Amino acid sequence: DGGITQSPKYLFRKEGQNVTLSCEQNLNHDAMYWYRQDPGQGLRLIYYSQIVNDFQKGDIAEGYSVSREKKESFPLTVTSAQKNPTAFYLCASSNSGTDHSPLHFGNGTRLTVT
Amino acid sequence: GQQVMQIPQYQHVQEGEDFTTYCNSSTTLSNIQWYKQRPGGHPVFLIQLVKSGEVKKQKRLTFQFGEAKKNSSLHITATQTTDVGTYFCAGHPSTGTASKLTFGTGTRLQVTL
Repeated sequence: DGGITQSPKYLFRKEGQNVTLSCEQNLNHDAMYWYRQDPGQGLRLIYYSQIVNDFQKGDIAEGYSVSREKKESFPLTVTSAQKNPTAFYLCASSNSGTDHSPLHFGNGTRLTVT
Repeated sequence: GQQVMQIPQYQHVQEGEDFTTYCNSSTTLSNIQWYKQRPGGHPVFLIQLVKSGEVKKQKRLTFQFGEAKKNSSLHITATQTTDVGTYFCAGHPSTGTASKLTFGTGTRLQVTL
């Protein structure tokens, strides 16, 4: 079955540590996205990538970094500079970043930083 | 930047009652997409509207895109417990960075027997 895999489902880290969230898709989609979801605030875009080796900042990129070395993979690193990292992180992909094709989401990673 | 608000934030209905959520953008949109997120789950795409004044139906769900392409609504007729979840609208701006999809704040629907 084609889909998006995020791992792990739950992640716990100590404050001051960087942590990398995994996102893999086998849908052959060009575009990939990272969203953060907080209660009552909807989904906010962190980073997106329309093509391999290229990515753009979203609305809340500070304290995060990404890479897109392969079409299938778009890992997100939450750095120690992110002031409020505890959240639900959702990775998504779409056929293209420019044709407004719908997003397919992974199951998400719930990150808790203490 | 572009902002997309939804009202109400939360609604609790009895099964069989109707439900409507409204989506309002601060800027003109080129399209509107609707997603549903079940409790503990991830958003799942429902539908996309692209034309001014467009109306689409999926069984008990009716989606509408405003004439000015700045607002949208989702109406559910005769809700069922399976409708429980949070409904998000999302749109691409008609100008600027066309690939940035902005999500609304969401409306959480609770349905009880």
